[in-house]
Amino acid sequence: GAVVSQHPSWVICKSGTSVKIECRSLDFQATTMFWYRQFPKQSLMLMATSNEGSKATYEQGVEKDKFLINHASLTLSTLTVTSAHPEDSSFYICSARDPRGFTGELFFGEGSRLTVL
Amino acid sequence: GNSVTQMEGPVTLSEEAFLTINCTYTATGYPSLFWYVQYPGEGLQLLLKATKADDKGSNKGFEATYRKETTSFHLEKGSVQVSDSAVYFCALSGDTGANSKLTFGKGITLSVRP
Repeated sequence: GAVVSQHPSWVICKSGTSVKIECRSLDFQATTMFWYRQFPKQSLMLMATSNEGSKATYEQGVEKDKFLINHASLTLSTLTVTSAHPEDSSFYICSARDPRGFTGELFFGEGSRLTVL
Repeated sequence: GNSVTQMEGPVTLSEEAFLTINCTYTATGYPSLFWYVQYPGEGLQLLLKATKADDKGSNKGFEATYRKETTSFHLEKGSVQVSDSAVYFCALSGDTGANSKLTFGKGITLSVRP
């Protein structure tokens, strides 16, 4: 089946630094990828929709200057958390839809746990 | 707008017990419905899905039936195992297309005791 992979799976950084998380679709091309944030014991919050070759679409309340999204190719989207602070610590998950299959199903990456000290 | 409501958790069961996790939804049109599972430290995996009314999704002993009359998609398993311990999310997709978004419920943690 379709595979989506994230890297790194976990990262620890100092406050004020920037962190980049990669999301790759390994066996299909994804014109659209989605970035979610998951707080402890809570559901997934959609942050933004990443569109290949164009600007990302951010959900209401998500700071686009804080969470930079780049979708430079059909298999790679990146999320950069700029000037990270402890409140940005979270589990970030990307997903993509395999256009070859049923369009309602999303495939998820393994997630990336960010800890900001 | 679309919304998904899951029963409050967490749920703790003994091995081989019967499991029901309730899920109801609000949506316009004819959404597709999904159950995703998240094992500890991992991302989400699709467990099962149903795309139209009266469809039954099934996988790994889990089942859920798309009930349009009650706007529900309850997850059931006849005999749970310790390995089923995970967080379960009910979700819906309100339309088809590459850009359609999933709306998730809050998720419920299931713990199965040996």
